[in-house]
Amino acid sequence: DADVTQTPRNRITKTGKRIMLECSQTKGHDRMYWYRQDPGLGLRLIYYSFDVKDINKGEISDGYSVSRQAQAKFSLSLESAIPNQTALYFCATGTSGLTNGEQFFGPGTRLTVL
Amino acid sequence: QKEVEQNSGPLSVPEGAIASLNCTYSDRVSQSFFWYRQYSGKSPELIMSIYSNGDKEDGRFTAQLNKASQYVSLLIRDSQPSDSATYLCAEISNFGNEKLTFGTGTRLTIIP
Repeated sequence: DADVTQTPRNRITKTGKRIMLECSQTKGHDRMYWYRQDPGLGLRLIYYSFDVKDINKGEISDGYSVSRQAQAKFSLSLESAIPNQTALYFCATGTSGLTNGEQFFGPGTRLTVL
Repeated sequence: QKEVEQNSGPLSVPEGAIASLNCTYSDRVSQSFFWYRQYSGKSPELIMSIYSNGDKEDGRFTAQLNKASQYVSLLIRDSQPSDSATYLCAEISNFGNEKLTFGTGTRLTIIP
């Protein structure tokens, strides 16, 4: 079984709809991250969480919210989807300390907002 | 604003040759550097990390770090078609909020 899973893998929705992307991990890592990837813009951090009670905004958090339901679960919500949120979304996990840059990515969710 | 710069490519290298991927960064307090490989339609996966000046070798891969010049590179020896992918450079400052900053990636194509 995959260590980091994301659901759904693909989603098409309409402008104004609320949508939730879910991430689960079995790696036992404390840290979890949500990124979006757009062609030519690389990976950009949306939100991150260093433990269940710690939630932090990344560089592009506007229009998004997150919930860390448990150590293993971190969900991303788009309250009212808009077309420029069409992107590939990745969840990642990691640890603290010297290896804090070694992150493990889920398979991604391809989101299209019409 | 911390920045990580990479040439977007595409970089084409004949099979069996050395592929050289380069990355520069702007934050002088950056401490740790990482190379991630991303196949088309797949998620990034870590292939190398480097924390101190000099070279670090792992199989066919060598990462090189020069903090004085704010430069990090990845060499791939004996390039194989399976090395064709986008390579993402990333850095993290251990004196900040410990977030990875990624470059936009270099697309590498190995020509058989």
